[in-house]
This record gives sequence, structure tokens and C-alpha cells, in this order.
Amino acid sequence: GAVVSQHPSWVICKSGTSVKIECRSLDFQATTMFWYRQFPKQSLMLMATSNEGSKATYEQGVEKDKFLINHASLTLSTLTVTSAHPEDSSFYICSARDQATQAFFGQGTRLTVV
Amino acid sequence: GQNIDQPTEMTATEGAIVQINCTYQTSGFNGLFWYQQHAGEAPTFLSYNVLDGLEEKGRFSSFLSRSKGYSYLLLKELQMKDSASYLCAVRDQRAAGNKLTFGGGTRVLVKP
Repeated sequence: GAVVSQHPSWVICKSGTSVKIECRSLDFQATTMFWYRQFPKQSLMLMATSNEGSKATYEQGVEKDKFLINHASLTLSTLTVTSAHPEDSSFYICSARDQATQAFFGQGTRLTVV
Repeated sequence: GQNIDQPTEMTATEGAIVQINCTYQTSGFNGLFWYQQHAGEAPTFLSYNVLDGLEEKGRFSSFLSRSKGYSYLLLKELQMKDSASYLCAVRDQRAAGNKLTFGGGTRVLVKP
């Protein structure tokens, strides 16, 4: 099956700093990528839909100036958490979709803000 | 919007069968997915239904009834490694990027 690589797997940062998470589709071109956030024992909550070459579509309640998404190529999307705070600590997961049916998930990034 | 409901937790015995139900309401249904997620890991794809009926894949089967807004995931011959959360997700063709909306997940605990 298709492979989506997400990096880093985990990151610890100080409050007030910014963190960038990368999501790469390794063997297919991902026209659309999705960014999710998951808190412990909860389901995945969609944050935004990222389309190559255009602005991301954010879900209601997600601050676009805080969670910056860039999808500059068909194989790479990045999520930058700016001015991170402890409440941003979560499991962030990307998924990538090609023209076919299913979306493939990255390994996830566990962010801890101290 | 979409409303996706599935039970929070289920417990079953090794070797038994467990059925996880999922009901949904959506205006632009374009497929239903089941994913398995172990703690601390990303979800892995299990099955996809877009037409009514049963899809069987080894020990796992998934059923869909579009008229009833209902699906179930059937896990047979349960193994200890099947202890995980199972996520039902619905794709909406009217949403940007054909996005998936996830239910709350069902935590399945398999006991010896």
C-alpha cells in the first residue's frame, strides 16, 4: 500500500516556540492532505484540509494563524504550530489522498509543550 | 454536518466474535471506512464500503446499509492483539477534499 511518512514522531518544545511537522507521500502524488489532532482517549478531529498549491481549508474553531499549513508540492505538506502552549500538547496525524479511494495515514507526531 | 455514533467500549473473550455498530447521518455520503488504532499509533485501514452489503477480508468483515445509515465491523476469532480502538469514518462528497469525519471510536478489550 501507499506510504505516508510523518516527521518527527515526537517533539518536546518550550512554551512560546514554534514547531513544524512534515507529512510526505513517498510513492504517490497527494493532491489533498488532511491534518488531524487527537487528544488522549478521544477520536481524530479534523483540523484542516490542505490542497496542493492553494490555501488550506480550516475546520470551525481552528485558528489558521496559529496552525500554519503549507502544501507546496504534491508530496509534502507541513503543519507549523506557532507560539505553542501546553494546551496544544496532542497527537497530530496527517493523511494523504491520491485520486483513488482511501486516505493513508502518517505515523503521527506526539507534541508535548512544556 | 455529520453525526457518527459508535459504542464507547466493548469487551470480548479471545476466540469469540465481536460486532461494532456505527450509525451515521450525512447529506453527501460517499463511502464508509473502518480503521484500527492501537494506543499511541496512527490508524490503519481495515475496510471500505460504498455499496450496500458485506465485505469480507479474512477475520474482519464490514457491512453497510445506506438506507439505514448503518454499518458494522465484525471481528471473528478474536486475538489478544485485536485489543485496540476501532474508528468508523464517513466520507462526504460535498465537503472540501472529500474529507473523512470520524466517530468517537470503540475501544475493544480482548480478554483471555
